[in-house]
Amino acid sequence: DTGVSQDPRHKITKRGQNVTFRCDPISEHNRLYWYRQTLGQGPEFLTYFQNEAQLEKSRLLSDRFSAERPKGSFSTLEIQRTEQGDSAMYLCASIRDGGNTIYFGEGSWLTVV
Amino acid sequence: DAKTTQPPSMDCAEGRAANLPCNHSTISGNEYVYWYRQIHSQGPQYIIHGLKNNETNEMASLIITEDRKSSTLILPHATLRDTAVYYCIVSGIRSNDYKLSFGAGTTVTVRA
Repeated sequence: DTGVSQDPRHKITKRGQNVTFRCDPISEHNRLYWYRQTLGQGPEFLTYFQNEAQLEKSRLLSDRFSAERPKGSFSTLEIQRTEQGDSAMYLCASIRDGGNTIYFGEGSWLTVV
Repeated sequence: DAKTTQPPSMDCAEGRAANLPCNHSTISGNEYVYWYRQIHSQGPQYIIHGLKNNETNEMASLIITEDRKSSTLILPHATLRDTAVYYCIVSGIRSNDYKLSFGAGTTVTVRA
């Protein structure tokens, strides 16, 4: 399968711990997006990269959140000092320049207890 | 991006066509209409998109009105596996921004 891959699919962590999610986009897709989705809501945009450059961050992305894409391929989303309100599904998506369809991964579920 | 309006829910009988409406009265000329669906606990799945012509693929058909202010997604023969939340999104293809802004979508329940 050459779709968008996310890892881990599920993570349970204690409040205050740090967590990191990884996203591998579709090969040759140079744009990569992170979204967050809470129960009953549609996905909300967090940030996106063009190659290794982070071009936009939503105000939803507090200073406890950091995303990187060091080599323009895979990306990581780290949440520091997790809070219960961070419990959500974190979605990654990708598209190539000139493309017109964004493809999503299966998401990484985070539960903060 | 233009906002969209969708009914919150609808039921459909298995084997029948499901017609999902979407209003996007403030759509601008370079904005596409996209449809995604999300089956419980999975990531959004791309269905179809169009600019002004009707489109069809193996999953669905998209009918866009001539004034482009509304569209209808048609699932020709709904199955139980089509039960999902369906999102209608309007998005422009701009040089630095391919973002999709999701609304609440339509929860479609296909009944046997």
